[in-house]
Amino acid sequence: NAGVTQTPKFQVLKTGQSMTLQCAQDMNHEYMSWYRQDPGMGLRLIHYSVGAGITDQGEVPNGYNVSRSTTEDFPLRLLSAAPSQTSVYFCASSYSIWGHQPQHFGDGTRLSIL
Amino acid sequence: GESVGLHLPTLSVQEGDNSIINCAYSNSASDYFIWYKQESGKGPQFIIDIRSNMDKRQGQRVTVLLNKTVKHLSLQIAATQPGDSAVYFCAENKGNNFNKFYFGSGTKLNVKP
Repeated sequence: NAGVTQTPKFQVLKTGQSMTLQCAQDMNHEYMSWYRQDPGMGLRLIHYSVGAGITDQGEVPNGYNVSRSTTEDFPLRLLSAAPSQTSVYFCASSYSIWGHQPQHFGDGTRLSIL
Repeated sequence: GESVGLHLPTLSVQEGDNSIINCAYSNSASDYFIWYKQESGKGPQFIIDIRSNMDKRQGQRVTVLLNKTVKHLSLQIAATQPGDSAVYFCAENKGNNFNKFYFGSGTKLNVKP
């Protein structure tokens, strides 16, 4: 099992460009989520999904879109990148939305917006 | 280099000593807690969890203590090894939001050989 796979690992964008951060999991997990991690701060939830076709906003959703067409994939889209979106982005998944379960994280995408 | 870890409190311990990392959580309704380890350039890795109906839980070389009265969580690492050097942070799950966690900013553990 690969677990949670994120691509790309690094990306540099110019302000106004768009891009999609990919996330895939091979554990048949229902729940998937995106976080951003900034220096000195805890992980902050951007968007999450409780199953294919179902997404919802987290704590900091502005500037990001998501979709969940399959159980395995949960891409994060930046429509018009801004310098404030420079961060490390982590995708996470867990088997079920019910019950208390830890989330499994990918190794992150390090994104710089110039 | 990796920007995660800047501006974080740092705990320096000697190899072989025990480490205690602390975390204060915010919501008295939180009923599930996790400790994660994050090495440079990697994603967070699950270490141990505890539910609010417990005060203590032990794993391999790690123990988590929960004090609900003062909303405090601690992670104890026995016989700390150089491979334990990383950023450690806690996460709380606030009641009925089963999989919506809130994460602390973390403590950097530096193990001196």
